[in-house]
Amino acid sequence: AQTVTQSQPEMSVQEAETVTLSCTYDTSESDYYLFWYKQPPSRQMILVIRQEAYKQQNATENRFSVNFQKAAKSFSLKISDSQLGDAAMYFCAYRHYSGGGADGLTFGKGTHLIIQP
Amino acid sequence: DSGVTQTPKHLITATGQRVTLRCSPRSGDLSVYWYQQSLDQGLQFLIQYYNGEERAKGNILERFSAQQFPDLHSELNLSSLELGDSALYFCASSADRNSPLHFGNGTRLTVT
Repeated sequence: AQTVTQSQPEMSVQEAETVTLSCTYDTSESDYYLFWYKQPPSRQMILVIRQEAYKQQNATENRFSVNFQKAAKSFSLKISDSQLGDAAMYFCAYRHYSGGGADGLTFGKGTHLIIQP
Repeated sequence: DSGVTQTPKHLITATGQRVTLRCSPRSGDLSVYWYQQSLDQGLQFLIQYYNGEERAKGNILERFSAQQFPDLHSELNLSSLELGDSALYFCASSADRNSPLHFGNGTRLTVT
């Protein structure tokens, strides 16, 4: 079974600074997707960024970028120019595929990101 | 707005009761997923449906069941409720394996 590990339960960063959230995963598959989701206090689950495993280029979405190291099974999220609105729980997720169209997300435990004004 | 609609937003009920949570996926999405988020267990995958058929089962209790209807909306039925079933229940939908999962705003279930 796939597992996703987020080793930082909580991180704190000054507004306008850069922060990196760590994520590692365990899988024997070669074809998969990785995601970062954000959950603000409103409890919505918001997609931040995604990475296809077959792509070597790291995904970028505005101030959010990832460092995807496939061999190391590492998928970190970098947030540049942190803003107060970035404060949230961040979940790393691995999308797995089984036979017959079955698939789903396995989530890490999350990292609580605090933005200091 | 993700396009995934969940009702109700909040539900308070007593132990032993039965409730039904409803989910309407994004237009065109054939897959629906149910997740449970509790403080001690994190986000747990319950079940997946694709175009009306069950495709994958996760940590879903026998007291829980789900179905997806021809119009693609889905319902999660929780019966013989226990205090430990109190959680946030999310529905998500996806068009295909190359598309991300989009989540609804969740249903907050409180069992007293």
